[in-house]
Amino acid sequence: SQTIHQWPATLVQPVGSPLSLECTVEGTSNPNLYWYRQAAGRGLQLLFYSVGIGQISSEVPQNLSASRPQDRQFILSSKKLLLSDSGFYLCAAARVNTEAFFGQGTRLTVV
Amino acid sequence: KQEVTQIPAALSVPEGENLVLNCSFTDSAIYNLQWFRQDPGKGLTSLLLIQSSQREQTSGRLNASLDKSSGRSTLYIAASQPGDSATYLCAVLTVPNAGGTSYGKLTFGQGTILTVHP
Repeated sequence: SQTIHQWPATLVQPVGSPLSLECTVEGTSNPNLYWYRQAAGRGLQLLFYSVGIGQISSEVPQNLSASRPQDRQFILSSKKLLLSDSGFYLCAAARVNTEAFFGQGTRLTVV
Repeated sequence: KQEVTQIPAALSVPEGENLVLNCSFTDSAIYNLQWFRQDPGKGLTSLLLIQSSQREQTSGRLNASLDKSSGRSTLYIAASQPGDSATYLCAVLTVPNAGGTSYGKLTFGQGTILTVHP
């Protein structure tokens, strides 16, 4: 079955600290991969997506970056976190003829 | 640029009612459209996937339709139950455009918050 492992589930980080969130996918190959952020009570904001290894499209200028070192690994990073980076981060995978599926998310609080 | 809109933003109904959630998208060049459910503080659960060549999909009390040419989809929920209370989101997977951008982008609407009260 298709599964996304996303960790940690919750994270509290001080302002100015670095961030690394990792997402790994099982049960499919060559997926498109996505990072979304969801503020409380809001919709999903697409941050980055990737259609292949090393290929990253950025949707919004921001304090974050993404990398895809392997086919089924997607990493979201920041060198220095801002208060505005707080939110619920979701990793997703999709292919043209199959359902998109999501990890369980990481709730990040920057203090 | 693909934009997805969901109407209504929120809906409160008594148990047992049939209801319709609406989703519209601006660029009809899509691979598929998918409906998701999100419970508070949780990730997204896929409900139905409609490929661009299909008109509808059904699963239990749920039926989703797709009119690609007009850029619209509806999610019909029959005999609603309190357990159906959640946020419902639709998303489209975009086909490459002439400029080669937006390929593979999965774009979401803002969601409809559904409350079904006993």
